[in-house]
Amino acid sequence: AQKITQTQPGMFVQEKEAVTLDCTYDTSDQSYGLFWYKQPSSGEMIFLIYQGSYDEQNATEGRYSLNFQKARKSANLVISASQLGDSAMYFCAMSPNTGFQKLVFGTGTRLLVSP
Amino acid sequence: DADVTQTPRNRITKTGKRIMLECSQTKGHDRMYWYRQDPGLGLRLIYYSFDVKDINKGEISDGYSVSRQAQAKFSLSLESAIPNQTALYFCATSASGKNEQFFGPGTRLTVL
Repeated sequence: AQKITQTQPGMFVQEKEAVTLDCTYDTSDQSYGLFWYKQPSSGEMIFLIYQGSYDEQNATEGRYSLNFQKARKSANLVISASQLGDSAMYFCAMSPNTGFQKLVFGTGTRLLVSP
Repeated sequence: DADVTQTPRNRITKTGKRIMLECSQTKGHDRMYWYRQDPGLGLRLIYYSFDVKDINKGEISDGYSVSRQAQAKFSLSLESAIPNQTALYFCATSASGKNEQFFGPGTRLTVL
């Protein structure tokens, strides 16, 4: 079974600073995918970034980067130059790369960006 | 226009009632999913479907059923709603071979 752990219920950061949201995972699969989603107060789920377990380089998407440390089973999200609009819930998730996606989500981290 | 739509967006119902939540997508994806979100628990998979003829149970399928009427439509039914099914329900889609799942806007269901 797969499990995602997000130990930070809430995080605070000042505008323009960088912030790291922690995610650790547990799986016996050799091949898997790791995802981060953002959920603003309006409720929709917005895909941010994906990392495959065999990808050698950390994924980056604009201001988002995923710090993937396979041996430590961690997949932390780094947001650079935080903006007020980054205030939201952030969910880490994983899926087996077995040809379909059955996402398992963590409990989320609420990020608040202050001016 | 939204690629993944859910109806209704909000619903209040009573214990014992039958409820259907509908999801439609214009993305042409073959895979569709239903999740529920409870405070403090993240999202949990209820059912998923690879194509029209394929339905699979997820982590928490008890008390729910689904119907894949067409590639673009995937409905979730609560045959006899109970209060602990009060939650935010999300439909999602993905294309085979692709990593990203696209979520609908969610349906907030309250069972009294």
